[in-house]
Amino acid sequence: DAGVIQSPRHEVTEMGQEVTLRCKPISGHNSLFWYRQTMMRGLELLIYFNNNVPIDDSGMPEDRFSAKMPNASFSTLKIQPSEPRDSAVYFCASSLSSGIRETQYFGPGTRLLVL
Amino acid sequence: SQELEQSPQSLIVQEGKNLTINCTSSKTLYGLYWYKQKYGEGLIFLMMLQKGGEEKSHEKITAKLDEKKQQSSLHITASQPSHAGIYLCGADTSGTYKYIFGTGTRLKVLA
Repeated sequence: DAGVIQSPRHEVTEMGQEVTLRCKPISGHNSLFWYRQTMMRGLELLIYFNNNVPIDDSGMPEDRFSAKMPNASFSTLKIQPSEPRDSAVYFCASSLSSGIRETQYFGPGTRLLVL
Repeated sequence: SQELEQSPQSLIVQEGKNLTINCTSSKTLYGLYWYKQKYGEGLIFLMMLQKGGEEKSHEKITAKLDEKKQQSSLHITASQPSHAGIYLCGADTSGTYKYIFGTGTRLKVLA
């Protein structure tokens, strides 16, 4: 079975450019999560979707960050304009439901470097 | 201060040795999740614990949950180089979808 798929795996861009990260959750999962991982702050939840609807975006750092989930099999996280401090590994995860004690399965991540 | 503390932060062991990693929460645990992270592979789910006293095993890795102490331990028996990586504990402390994560334990196993 395919796990969570993310693309690109690596992205290097210059400050001010738009960056779009993509995620395909595990088929049948109705909850999707975007996380950011840095050395300083560890793994942080950015946004959570349930049934394609954004439920909690309290972790989105600034208005420069936006996320969409147009259908059950695709989500994007966009940064516009990007800044060097956005450099991090961005993970997408999905779970079967949003119920208590539901395991989240993570994708391989996108390593973003903003110069 | 971290809501979820992991110890030790890093560990170097000789192949064949046993080791233990701990994860302690400052809040009630509704679920405790162990993941392993290797470069380029994201977080690989190992196991979930949800009841006090629960113990689960995955190959040579065993995890236990002490609900009263709000703590979990991950024990690796007869470590191998393939066990090397970063072990992360994640916890549901609110009874919702929101996990918090520990800072991770970097494990190196010398052949």
